[in-house]
Amino acid sequence: GDSVTQMEGPVTLSEEAFLTINCTYTATGYPSLFWYVQYPGEGLQLLLKATKADDKGSNKGFEATYRKETTSFHLEKGSVQVSDSAVYFCALSEDSGYSTLTFGKGTMLLVSP
Amino acid sequence: DAGVIQSPRHEVTEMGQEVTLRCKPISGHDYLFWYRQTMMRGLELLIYFNNNVPIDDSGMPEDRFSAKMPNASFSTLKIQPSEPRDSAVYFCASSWDQGYGYTFGSGTRLTVV
Repeated sequence: GDSVTQMEGPVTLSEEAFLTINCTYTATGYPSLFWYVQYPGEGLQLLLKATKADDKGSNKGFEATYRKETTSFHLEKGSVQVSDSAVYFCALSEDSGYSTLTFGKGTMLLVSP
Repeated sequence: DAGVIQSPRHEVTEMGQEVTLRCKPISGHDYLFWYRQTMMRGLELLIYFNNNVPIDDSGMPEDRFSAKMPNASFSTLKIQPSEPRDSAVYFCASSWDQGYGYTFGSGTRLTVV
C-alpha cells in the first residue's frame, strides 16, 4: 500500500538557518504530493503541493520538488524564522481518485532566535 | 466561508461518560473526514463520509466509537463509554475531493480522566 516516510524530529535550528525536511514515498501509481503545516493548537493547513514529476511547489518561502526517480518530496526553506516553528506533514494522494490522503508521521521544527 | 467548525475546543470528562464531538464542514464540500491525533500514533483516519454516507470506517478503533452525518452541514463523533486511552485531539476535515484539498478544523482536545 501507499506510505510516506519523514525524517524524525524535532529539527532544531537557529533563525535564518537553512531548512531541509526529508520525505520519501511509496505508491503504485502517479500520486500528487503535499506538505501540510500544523501550528501549535491548530489544525493542519496545506502549505504546498505538486501534482506531477519535476513540479516544484512553493509557498511562504518553502519549496519542494517532486522527484519521481528518487520518490522524494523534500521540504526546503532558505532562511527560517521563529514563526515557522510547527509540525510539518508530508502526504500523498493516488491519482486513481479512490483513495484518501496518506500522511507521514510529521516532523516538528523548532526555531530559536 | 468560516472554514471547518468544530466544537467544543476542549472537553474533559470522566471515564465511562458519553462524549459527543461536533463538526460543521465547509459548504459545498462533499467529503468529511474524522481524524485522531496522539503523540504515540500520530494522525489516524477514523472514518470518512461522501455525500453524508459513511464510506470507510475501518479506522474506528472500537464499537465504543460511532459517527453520523445526518445532513451536509453537520457531523458527530460519539464515544460511549469513554476511556482514558481515548484522550487525544480529534480533527474534522472536509474536501471537494477524496484525496485533495482537505481543510481541517481546529480540533477538539479530549481528556478522559
